[in-house]
Parts: sequence; structure tokens; C-alpha cells
Amino acid sequence: DQQVKQNSPSLSVQEGRISILNCDYTNSMFDYFLWYKKYPAEGPTFLISISSIKDKNEDGRFTVFLNKSAKHLSLHIVPSQPGDSAVYFCAATSGTYKYIFGTGTRLKVLA
Amino acid sequence: GAGVSQSPSNKVTEKGKDVELRCDPISGHTALYWYRQSLGQGLEFLIYFQGNSAPDKSGLPSDRFSAERTGGSVSTLTIQRTQQEDSAVYLCASSDRTSGPDTQYFGPGTRLTVL
Repeated sequence: DQQVKQNSPSLSVQEGRISILNCDYTNSMFDYFLWYKKYPAEGPTFLISISSIKDKNEDGRFTVFLNKSAKHLSLHIVPSQPGDSAVYFCAATSGTYKYIFGTGTRLKVLA
Repeated sequence: GAGVSQSPSNKVTEKGKDVELRCDPISGHTALYWYRQSLGQGLEFLIYFQGNSAPDKSGLPSDRFSAERTGGSVSTLTIQRTQQEDSAVYLCASSDRTSGPDTQYFGPGTRLTVL
């Protein structure tokens, strides 16, 4: 049973437009969520996180939205840049060290 | 500063052989994690170390898998009698976690191929 799902394996967006990456979860005990970005042949790098006490967290061009009732979070990148092309993973935890990761969404930003 | 490093970056082995994968965490990080990413899958938690002890080994897929950490620093993941289904990218991460959720910093991974 996959507790964290990223249903879109890939997404293409024009440079300068908004990228929206989605993530759904099933475990209502999850209370902390993270997004990681991964380039080929590199490990995932932390991008942004959100606690369940918030519904939005913003860091520069990156904003994460959390809808607890829908068990859904999304990552918005505005404006998208070619350097944002990577695989994005969402992860969730119930306040412990154990992250549950989604399968990732490959974002391609077209110049 | 130096990030998490892993060696080797690639390992090709024959079925039935043993392999050792190494992780050098960020200096001072007390927590260390091993994950596995199989083709088309998300990252799968394997084991967590706090210092030299492993309070959670629940993710290790079988008794062919073991890990140790010495001196609160370097960790080795050993896979005995490798099988083709062990082929994956093995990722190590570290953090300065003491309690609660943390930001884990990942190494580049070791791509293991079992023929």
C-alpha cells in the first residue's frame, strides 16, 4: 500500500510559466511534509517543507500548499526555469525520522 | 563544506557475491539513514542509525542485508549472496537530528547491478 503517491510521472512546462507538482497521501498521522529535487547521478536535495499546522509555506519561487482534509499537497514553482528540470519527490513523516517517499515526478522546463 | 559521500558510485557484481557499500556522512551529523531506490519506485527506507546504534532496522529486506556504523561516522551496508532483485540505487543520508522531523542530506548514491 503506497502511503504517498505522485500520480504524474512527468510534467512539461514552458519557461516562465507555473509548474504545479502534486502529491497525495493516505496516512492521516503524517504531520510533516517535504519536497526534494533530484538531478541525474546526484542524491536528492531538500527544497522546502511544511508542517501540518500550516497550509502554505513559501521560499522564493517555491511554494508548498497543504490541504489536510483532502490529504493533498502541491509544489508550485513560479516562474519555472530550465534549471528546475529534475525529478521532484514528496515525502511525509509522522514526526519521526522515517520519511515515506513518493515515486517522483520528472519536470521538464522547456526554454 | 563537504557533503555526504558514497563509494563506489557504481558496482556491478555477479549473483551470489557479497558487496559492501560505504557512506561518509556530513561531519558532526549524528543520524544516518540508508535508502534504496529501485527502478520506477520511490525511496525505500532501510535502516536508521543514531550514533553507532541502529534503533530501527525494520526496512532491511532480508537477513542478507546488514549495516554498521563505527565511530559515529562512516557506515557500511553489506549485502550477502546478492540477488538480481537487489539491483537498485542505494542512497545514504545524514542529519543532525536529535528529535522530531529533520532535514536529511543525501549522498549521490551507489548504483548496484547484480548480473
